[in-house]
Amino acid sequence: EAQVTQNPRYLITVTGKKLTVTCSQNMNHEYMSWYRQDPGLGLRQIYYSMNVEVTDKGDVPEGYKVSRKEKRNFPLILESPSPNQTSLYFCASSWDIREKLFFGSGTQLSVL
Amino acid sequence: SQQGEEDPQALSIQEGENATMNCSYKTSINNLQWYRQNSGRGLVHLILIRSNEREKHSGRLRVTLDTSKKSSSLLITASRAADTASYFCAVSPFQGAQKLVFGQGTRLTINP
Repeated sequence: EAQVTQNPRYLITVTGKKLTVTCSQNMNHEYMSWYRQDPGLGLRQIYYSMNVEVTDKGDVPEGYKVSRKEKRNFPLILESPSPNQTSLYFCASSWDIREKLFFGSGTQLSVL
Repeated sequence: SQQGEEDPQALSIQEGENATMNCSYKTSINNLQWYRQNSGRGLVHLILIRSNEREKHSGRLRVTLDTSKKSSSLLITASRAADTASYFCAVSPFQGAQKLVFGQGTRLTINP
C-alpha cells in the first residue's frame, strides 16, 4: 500500500531534550516536505527536499533540522525543543513539488 | 500572500444537502488542489484542477476554477455525516516559490 509513515503519533517531551520525528515513504517520491499545523495559522512549511542530499528552508525553519540521506526517509530533528514548537506536524511527499501531496498521519508534539 | 483563502470558515448543514466552499487566491497558478482533513489526521487529496481547466468532477465532488476571478469552488452533493471534516484549498503558484501554499480551511459539519 502506498503510504507515508510518520512516527511517533504522539510525543510529550521537555524543553531542551533533543528529539527526532521519522518520516518514510514507499512511493519512490523525490519531493518530501514537513509542515506544522497550528490553530488559526493553518499549515506552514518547515523544510522541504527536492531529492537526496537536497534540502531547503520553508516558511518557518527556525529551531528545526532535516536530512535526506536516502530517498525514502526525511526525518525532522528538534535539537533543543521549546514550548512554542508544540504543534501538530505532518510529513508529505510527491513525485513533483507542484502535484498531489501524500500526507502522513501526523505527530502531535507537546513540549513542556 | 499567495495563499488560498477559504470561505466560509465554518459551514453547518443537514445531511443530504449540498455543501459549497470557496477559495480565492492572489497570483497566477499552475493548479489548485482541494484536500480533506478529518479531525487531527493527515490531509487527504481530493481533486486537482489545472489552470487551463474550468470544471472537474470526482464522485460527489465538483470543482470549478475561474482564473479571471482567481477563485475556485468545491461542491459536495448529497452530503453525508462522513463528510464532516475540514477542507483546504492549496495553490501551486506559476511563478516564485514552486510549492503548494495552503489556505486556513473550511470546517464542514454535517448534521444527521
